[in-house]
Amino acid sequence: ETGVTQSPTHLIKTRGQQVTLRCSSQSGHNTVSWYQQALGQGPQFIFQYYREEENGRGNFPPRFSGLQFPNYSSELNVNALELDDSALYLCASSLEGRGQFYEQYFGPGTRLTVT
Amino acid sequence: AQSVSQHNHHVILSEAASLELGCNYSYGGTVNLFWYVQYPGQHLQLLLKYFSGDPLVKGIKGFEAEFIKSKFSFNLRKPSVQWSDTAEYFCAVRGNTDKLIFGTGTRLQVFP
Repeated sequence: ETGVTQSPTHLIKTRGQQVTLRCSSQSGHNTVSWYQQALGQGPQFIFQYYREEENGRGNFPPRFSGLQFPNYSSELNVNALELDDSALYLCASSLEGRGQFYEQYFGPGTRLTVT
Repeated sequence: AQSVSQHNHHVILSEAASLELGCNYSYGGTVNLFWYVQYPGQHLQLLLKYFSGDPLVKGIKGFEAEFIKSKFSFNLRKPSVQWSDTAEYFCAVRGNTDKLIFGTGTRLQVFP
């Protein structure tokens, strides 16, 4: 049991729409990372939030944005959805600080389908 | 740029066979290395990790991996696989950035 939860489980959207995905981090964790996993591929890093600020970003356009709240939960927002955005979106939480890095614990993911 | 290569895309084994999955990374500095497993219908779970120290790392469910710095490799091994090991296996590396770089994964099928 990782303790990381994501909602919703599945989502179907139309091209051009906007979507918000949510993640609750594991108790005691202060960092949330988001990944996109296309079918048959490994997870691709989107961005990370640490103490409510973006702390690193992968090669994703600005229409992918996020938030982290004081309770360390997080949202991933995607605007102007494209067909290629169809994927499993994973959230991972970890405890970071004092120059230390600890392993990330993953949630079950949100399956987004764009039609 | 950091990258991870998993050369075995699909591996098929019979129960009790030995397993070795290859993982190579490209990054010249200090790295943290991971193997994650994704069982059918389940979320990614950490199998084992290497941060420093003994390059032979033991993980859960009888898995182990060896970090060979000179070869930029972190291969996963298990002496005797079980049907329940059927899953997707991902190698991941973290270098001097805050992101995990994953390989494309290896699909393992174990037949009884």
